[in-house]
Amino acid sequence: RKEVEQDPGPFNVPEGATVAFNCTYSNSASQSFFWYRQDCRKEPKLLMSVYSSGNEDGRFTAQLNRASQYISLLIRDSKLSDSATYLCVVKSSGGSYIPTFGRGTSLIVHP
Amino acid sequence: DTAVSQTPKYLVTQMGNDKSIKCEQNLGHDTMYWYKQDSKKFLKIMFSYNNKELIINETVPNRFSPKSPDKAHLNLHINSLELGDSAVYFCASSQSAGGNEQFFGPGTRLTVL
Repeated sequence: RKEVEQDPGPFNVPEGATVAFNCTYSNSASQSFFWYRQDCRKEPKLLMSVYSSGNEDGRFTAQLNRASQYISLLIRDSKLSDSATYLCVVKSSGGSYIPTFGRGTSLIVHP
Repeated sequence: DTAVSQTPKYLVTQMGNDKSIKCEQNLGHDTMYWYKQDSKKFLKIMFSYNNKELIINETVPNRFSPKSPDKAHLNLHINSLELGDSAVYFCASSQSAGGNEQFFGPGTRLTVL
């Protein structure tokens, strides 16, 4: 089983739609969780951290479920500019804080 | 101002050659990383340095050797390049090893012929 798993998609949605992605992780000792966004042929950029109580940033909501070992990202009112690959990142605890990336979920928002 | 920069942006070379990729960050961060993103877009960590000290060394062939002359620079040297080394290599930095946000460079697209 891969350490961090994501549905690669693509998720093809119309503008204005609500879309949700999940990411599962296998290491129960994982401590930190993030969503990054990567545009085509560009570098990844932090979208948001994921906190235990869940957190929201504008149209984006991130949730963590430790019992089931998954995190989620919800995007409301999708814009064309949201089209990108969304990478789930999990950091393990311990001295080296190894970050593990999922392979990403591709989102295409169409008019 | 570029936060994390890498050179070169593109690198095309023959099998068996030796090449280096350079990375510099001007953010004052303590920790730097090298990642490889293959054709399937899977981003995998290779190495990490914290204050010039190697702290992460994932299963990478020993043809890959990182070098950190100071905490603002982390270079990657690759010996005897193979076809399977073709990928995009990203450098990144974070404030500390446990730092939350990583800032990525623009990537170096390596093609081995």
